[in-house]
Formats: sequence, structure tokens, C-alpha cells
Amino acid sequence: EVQLLESGGGLVQPGGSLRLSCAASGFTFSSYGMSWVRQAPGKGLEWVSAISGSGTGTYYSDSVKGRFTISRDNSKNALYLQMNSLRAEDTAVYYCAQAWELNWFDPWGQGTLVTVSS
Amino acid sequence: QSVLTQPPSVSGAPGQRVTISCTGSSSNIGAGYDVNWYQHLPGAVPKLLIYGNSNRPSGVPDRFSGSKSGTSASLAITGLQAEDEADYYCQSYDSSLSGWVFGVGTKLTVL
Repeated sequence: EVQLLESGGGLVQPGGSLRLSCAASGFTFSSYGMSWVRQAPGKGLEWVSAISGSGTGTYYSDSVKGRFTISRDNSKNALYLQMNSLRAEDTAVYYCAQAWELNWFDPWGQGTLVTVSS
Repeated sequence: QSVLTQPPSVSGAPGQRVTISCTGSSSNIGAGYDVNWYQHLPGAVPKLLIYGNSNRPSGVPDRFSGSKSGTSASLAITGLQAEDEADYYCQSYDSSLSGWVFGVGTKLTVL
């Protein structure tokens, strides 16, 4: 059974940094792209970033480009999202998801809440 | 504001059929990129409902079906049940944005 478990969320001040992690199990991690998707309070789903199975291809939404960095460690079956220069509008539940053919996302982790506030 | 437009809400009585539309443009759905659909139940994790425009993952009832034509796609739910009450999102890839996009979401209410 595929399992994705996010961690690293919390409260951070505007301008601060946070690193999210996603521990994956139940599949050949290096064979699949992975993605981060977020949902702000009361809002819809927003794609944030994606990475290819090898890690050589990385992709970002315009809203986080230059501030967030996605990476993976295939030896540890782990996905990361380094978030810098955080803003209030980055407040959201962040989900990691397996990205099939870098096309659709399934399954999703349970999410981790990031709150950016002073 | 998303590049994929969905109605904010739809409703139907138990047993009825409802459809949710997803309208895009020539840089996403119209460019031939697949449309995928997700169900987000209250307090739960988003779940893939339809992938590749019209394919159902194992375990998804055949009451759910997807279609795509031109710059639009639709999700149809037949035999509506109370447990179908959720938010539904379409998703595709946009070449102008060079990234993946979700629709704004549609809240389904079962009357």
C-alpha cells in the first residue's frame, strides 16, 4: 500500500523559512514524479511544485518560483519542499502526492499545516 | 482566479444525475492535455476520481464518469448518494503557465 506522510509544518513569521518533508513507502519511489499541492483556508486546491523521478526536472508555480525549492532523496524515499521568504498568503495545508506520468496526482498524503503569521 | 472554470456549486436529489463542467482554453484542455478529477470530502484527503479524461481508478464506482471535448471537460455523477456531497476539482496542464492547474472547485450538495 502506498503511503505518504508529510511533516515539518508549523507557525512561522513572515519572511521566515520552513522545510517540509514527505516520507514515501509502498512503491518504487525513484520511478515516479512527485508533487506538492496546497489548500489555503477556505480556498481551493493550488498546485505548487513538482519534480521528476530522477530529480533532474523541477517545476514551480509562478506564486512560489524563486522562493520555494523542491528536492528529493531517492535513497531515503523522501521528498522535500524548502520554503523561504514566506508570506501570509502561503498559509495553507500542504499535501505531497505521487505524480503519475507527471500528469495526475494519486495518492495524496494527509497534509501538513503551514501558518505564516506574526 | 484559475484558468480552469467550474461552477461554484451544483445540487441534486438522491438518485439523480448531475454534471460538473470544467472550461479551459487552447493552452490547457484545448491543447490536448488530459483532464483529471478529484473528490475532496470534508475533513478528508483529496482523492483521484477520474484520470486521463475518462478513466476510473480501481475502487471508484462506475456512477462517476468523465468526458472531454474541445476546450471543456465534464464530470457526471449518476445515482446521486448522500456520501457524494463534497468538493470536486478538475485539473490539467497549462502550457502558457508551464505548470499544472486546478479548477476553482465545485461544491456538490445532495438535497
